[in-house]
Amino acid sequence: SSELTQDPAVSVALGQTVRITCQGDSLRSYYASWYQQKPGQAPVLVIYGKNNRPSGIPDRFSGSSSGNTASLTITGAQAEDEADYYCNSRDSSGNLSWVFGGGTKLTVL
Amino acid sequence: EVQLVETGGGLIQPGGSLRLSCAASGFTVSSNYMSWVRQAPGKGLEWVSVIYSGGSTYYADSVKGRFTISRDNSKNTLYLQMNSLRAEDTAVYYCATIITMVRGDYFDYWGQGTLVTVSS
Repeated sequence: SSELTQDPAVSVALGQTVRITCQGDSLRSYYASWYQQKPGQAPVLVIYGKNNRPSGIPDRFSGSSSGNTASLTITGAQAEDEADYYCNSRDSSGNLSWVFGGGTKLTVL
Repeated sequence: EVQLVETGGGLIQPGGSLRLSCAASGFTVSSNYMSWVRQAPGKGLEWVSVIYSGGSTYYADSVKGRFTISRDNSKNTLYLQMNSLRAEDTAVYYCATIITMVRGDYFDYWGQGTLVTVSS
């Protein structure tokens, strides 16, 4: 089955820009979706498709993709953006399944 | 307003069985793709199972043959029957809707999760 690889932890100064990346072979065929999860809460969809935000997600969140790498960018990070972020895509290995990245813990300094 | 409410979690001995429920409101379960995703304590998210609107079902290799996903259209509720439970099945179990597109799927709405603990 496919795998998605994320950096375990990333930090950003308040108000600065941060990019969280996700690598995997399936990303050559499928766009990643991105989820924000705060402690004790369910995941929340923040980016899907080429670069789409669900209603209620601030426009400082954006997504991009190149080759086998998908990126989530937060432009002007806020304290409330401190959370775990997970990427996800359909498994491209032929199995009808989905795979999540291991998650990135974002710290806003 | 879309809402998903999971119930049925608890402490269960290894080898035991448990059925999780996910009651939906604000949309029709049978018209959507529905999934279960789990998260072991302190770990990342793991996709578990999906049921398509047409009724087809698929499972992660880690639960295939032990878990069964189903739905009750009259109750607008999704289920996950879990048999032969192992310690490694200990996790918070979330139900979620899946939207599938040609080049990218996404998990749209999530419930709050229910904790399953497998331990003697």
